[in-house]
Amino acid sequence: AQSVTQLGSHVSVSEGALVLLRCNYSSSVPPYLFWYVQYPNQGLQLLLKYTTGATLVKGINGFEAEFKKSETSFHLTKPSAHMSDAAEYFCAVIRPNSGGSNYKLTFGKGTLLTVNP
Amino acid sequence: GAVVSQHPSRVICKSGTSVKIECRSLDFQATTMFWYRQFPKQSLMLMATSNEGSKATYEQGVEKDKFLINHASLTLSTLTVTSAHPEDSSFYICSARTLRRFSYEQYFGPGTRLTVT
Repeated sequence: AQSVTQLGSHVSVSEGALVLLRCNYSSSVPPYLFWYVQYPNQGLQLLLKYTTGATLVKGINGFEAEFKKSETSFHLTKPSAHMSDAAEYFCAVIRPNSGGSNYKLTFGKGTLLTVNP
Repeated sequence: GAVVSQHPSRVICKSGTSVKIECRSLDFQATTMFWYRQFPKQSLMLMATSNEGSKATYEQGVEKDKFLINHASLTLSTLTVTSAHPEDSSFYICSARTLRRFSYEQYFGPGTRLTVT
């Protein structure tokens, strides 16, 4: 079974400061990892993903994340926070279901990012 | 590309009535669609997975007779909440996956806010 742990349900930063949202996973097989963002009363938007290849992945809106197998982590960062970054962020991992081919996302509990002026 | 729509965005219904939520993939064919439920300030809970032309696979603890899912075409899935009660009030989000083999990318709809009075 695979699981995702997001450390910190709420992170608050000042505008212009570094954003760091933590995600650790447990998996018996190499996972695919995702970060999604959700604005209030909206669905989820994919920020970035890691499947294979380069471990540092760049996403939209200036976000990036690094897959560290030794630390089983996939932390999300952005060098300089903007007010528009305030949202809920979810880390997710793919796990196969019993059918084998229908990969299903397992989500972390989410981290609410607030950006202070 | 890869746009998923949901209708309605908000619905208020009386206890005991049924409500249907539509999920459409607008510019791609979705062999698999997922239905999630999200409570305030919580993560997404997968309710069921549906493949076009097949019966949905429900997650443990989700009542099949209460949450009827139909995936009649490659672009449309519906979720019907039957005999709704106030505890069914929630944010329902659908997600669709493309036809590509071993595809793992899911695209999310904007969600439907259901309020049962």
